[in-house]
Amino acid sequence: EAGVAQSPRYKIIEKRQSVAFWCNPISGHATLYWYQQILGQGPKLLIQFQNNGVVDDSQLPKDRFSAERLKGVDSTLKIQPAKLEDSAVYLCASSTDSYMNTEAFFGQGTRLTVV
Amino acid sequence: AQSVAQPEDQVNVAEGNPLTVKCTYSVSGNPYLFWYVQYPNRGLQFLLKYITGDNLVKGSYGFEAEFNKSQTSFHLKKPSALVSDSALYFCAVRDDTGGFKTIFGAGTRLFVKA
Repeated sequence: EAGVAQSPRYKIIEKRQSVAFWCNPISGHATLYWYQQILGQGPKLLIQFQNNGVVDDSQLPKDRFSAERLKGVDSTLKIQPAKLEDSAVYLCASSTDSYMNTEAFFGQGTRLTVV
Repeated sequence: AQSVAQPEDQVNVAEGNPLTVKCTYSVSGNPYLFWYVQYPNRGLQFLLKYITGDNLVKGSYGFEAEFNKSQTSFHLKKPSALVSDSALYFCAVRDDTGGFKTIFGAGTRLFVKA
């Protein structure tokens, strides 16, 4: 079974520039998550999709971050404009559903450095 | 509000010795608890989960975890550590009153010395 695919693996941009990350979840997984993991901290949920609908985006900085999941499959997370504090690893994960007892499968992440 | 604490930044153990990685949590409703492991340059991998039932949960790679409701803890354990167990371990929690959000702890780095 193929895992969660993310690209790019690494990205370096200057502050105020824009950047986009792509994620392709495990086939058949209805739920897709984007997490931000700052060095030394645990992952923080940015947004969670159930199919192509948003079920939680309470921690997404909506003035600069946006995400979409067209057709309920792959997803794109965008930052515009980037700030220095956005430097982090962005993790995409998927699960079969959004039930409380369902574990997530994670991609390798995209390491973003904002200079 | 949900929260998770992993009180140790790092745990050091000799190969062959038992290991424990600690986790405590706070939730409003019933907890759903998870352990994930992160190896260098790899994504998080699911180890085990507690949903309901037996307080001792067995998972991947010989790991197990003990749910203690009175102490609100979910410590990860392994009877005999391997050097290859060296990694970053995350405890995570959901509760059935907090919506769909999973809260992760800050992580504990496990170092197993040969």
